[in-house]
Amino acid sequence: DTGVSQDPRHKITKRGQNVTFRCDPISEHNRLYWYRQTLGQGPEFLTYFQNEAQLEKSRLLSDRFSAERPKGSFSTLEIQRTEQGDSAMYLCASSLKGEMNTEAFFGQGTRLTVV
Amino acid sequence: AQSVTQLDSHVSVSEGTPVLLRCNYSSSYSPSLFWYVQHPNKGLQLLLKYTSAATLVKGINGFEAEFKKSETSFHLTKPSAHMSDAAEYFCVVSDRRGKLIFGQGTELSVKP
Repeated sequence: DTGVSQDPRHKITKRGQNVTFRCDPISEHNRLYWYRQTLGQGPEFLTYFQNEAQLEKSRLLSDRFSAERPKGSFSTLEIQRTEQGDSAMYLCASSLKGEMNTEAFFGQGTRLTVV
Repeated sequence: AQSVTQLDSHVSVSEGTPVLLRCNYSSSYSPSLFWYVQHPNKGLQLLLKYTSAATLVKGINGFEAEFKKSETSFHLTKPSAHMSDAAEYFCVVSDRRGKLIFGQGTELSVKP
């Protein structure tokens, strides 16, 4: 399978714990995005990378959230001191270029439940 | 700023009847627009995209969308619904740097 891969698919954690998600984009894709989707809503932009450079972070991304893309390949999204409001589906996407008309390919997401 | 508004949160049709999912956009420049579909427990999949080459865009599975600048609309249509079309559909606009901005989604139900 050469699509976008996310791990884990599901994560249940206790409030206050730290969690880390991984995304492996399509190999030749330079652009990588993180989105968050809650029930009944469209995906909301969190952050994106061009190669290893983080170009933009949403105001939704509090100080508890951090994302990295070392070496411009896979990316990790870490949430520290999780809260119940962090429960959501976290989606990763990649695209070949960062241009307006470029299709983004999405992974199946990581569903986080904070109890 | 770029934005999209999906006018219906839920649409229900009978199998074999036409589908219309409505989307209006707001953009300060000529937009790139997309429709994505999300089936339960599956990733988002691109249905079609508009990039100013042609106003009527054909996508996968018989879907098409028409870009109407005068109405700032990009409605998704299909002549005949199939049971497998039941899913969540998202209208999406891209900013100049390729960041995708999603609408709230329209859930399509297809009755036998």
